[in-house]
Amino acid sequence: DTAVSQTPKYLVTQMGNDKSIKCEQNLGHDTMYWYKQDSKKFLKIMFSYNNKELIINETVPNRFSPKSPDKAHLNLHINSLELGDSAVYFCASSQTQTSRQETQYFGPGTRLLVL
Amino acid sequence: GDSVTQMEGPVTLSEEAFLTINCTYTATGYPSLFWYVQYPGEGLQLLLKATKADDKGSNKGFEATYRKETTSFHLEKGSVQVSDSAVYFCALRTSNSGYALNFGKGTSLLVTP
Repeated sequence: DTAVSQTPKYLVTQMGNDKSIKCEQNLGHDTMYWYKQDSKKFLKIMFSYNNKELIINETVPNRFSPKSPDKAHLNLHINSLELGDSAVYFCASSQTQTSRQETQYFGPGTRLLVL
Repeated sequence: GDSVTQMEGPVTLSEEAFLTINCTYTATGYPSLFWYVQYPGEGLQLLLKATKADDKGSNKGFEATYRKETTSFHLEKGSVQVSDSAVYFCALRTSNSGYALNFGKGTSLLVTP
């Protein structure tokens, strides 16, 4: 069974559209994250949720809105997509939010291309 | 703020060569250090980690030692294989970033037969 799964794996859409990416983890973890990987492979944290509560909200446009219906799911909704949103979006999870030692487990990524 | 600096890639090596990928960090807290690997078209996998000074992380023939005095966590492998071709990311984690991973820019490794 996949520990951290994301859907869809690929997403091609037009500028101005609204789209969602879904993430689920079956590890029983309390904390989930969204990271963005740009075209140069640079990875940066976007959001973090702990037990459905928003913990980290980096400097991300308001068009990006995360939602955590329960602690096993963290979805990312993007409004009014722009060309610059094209990237790979990774979901990750860890057991807790307050331990620097814990491993974060990553999903396979969602490759978003905005045309 | 916290940051991670990795050597620029791409790194191209012949099979069975020795690999070193340099990683240094800046952190105001006491970080844990990680190496993640990303194979082509895939997500990130933890390769190894170290959580305190002088700890050595190791996995699949790769090693890295947490050096607080030089703020470094260099990745090494004695004999690389073609299957090691991937992008390698050094990362740290502290309370400063809400315990999110703070990544270096990644180093691409290509191993040729």
